Amino acid sequence: SQTIHQWPATLVQPVGSPLSLECTVEGTSNPNLYWYRQAAGRGLQLLFYSVGIGQISSEVPQNLSASRPQDRQFILSSKKLLLSDSGFYLCAWSPPGRRYQPQHFGDGTRLSIL
Amino acid sequence: DAKTTQPNSMESNEEEPVHLPCNHSTISGTDYIHWYRQLPSQGPEYVIHGLTSNVNNRMASLAIAEDRKSSTLILHRATLRDAAVYYCILRGPLYNTDKLIFGTGTRLQVFP
Repeated sequence: SQTIHQWPATLVQPVGSPLSLECTVEGTSNPNLYWYRQAAGRGLQLLFYSVGIGQISSEVPQNLSASRPQDRQFILSSKKLLLSDSGFYLCAWSPPGRRYQPQHFGDGTRLSIL
Repeated sequence: DAKTTQPNSMESNEEEPVHLPCNHSTISGTDYIHWYRQLPSQGPEYVIHGLTSNVNNRMASLAIAEDRKSSTLILHRATLRDAAVYYCILRGPLYNTDKLIFGTGTRLQVFP
């Protein structure tokens, strides 16, 4: 069966520091991968999605970037964090090739910026 | 985006069935109805989806009205672990990207 791993679970970072969040998927090949952010009490905001290695689409302009160096690895990064980057970051995957398939989420990273 | 309307909250007792309604009167013929839930401090969890026919899986059942303007997620025997916010979402080719857009959902409370 497929599993998705996301780490760390919680992170406290100072303003201006760099960020790297990692997500890996097991048990499937060439998944669609997604990074979402959920602010406290708010809905999901799609940040990035990827349909293959090196293919990244950005949904909103921001202080963050994403990379997909391997088929089942998705990384969210920032060179300099802002206070507004605080939130609950979620990685998700869906089966390749077909749209509107269910997305399966990791346990999330709760990021606090001080 | 096609809108869905759900009650803000519902309550149930443990081991009772729960029927969570969703209205989607502007649904198009190619839209799928998806349900997700989110437990406190966790990522969303896919529950079930369907197009026209009723669907069953190990977690729940989805009953879709004949005109598809509404649907109901059925939890056959609620447990304390089912306490979560439940989201009803329409997904289909009219929406340009594959992102999930959650509304406010229904907060389900389950009492022992």
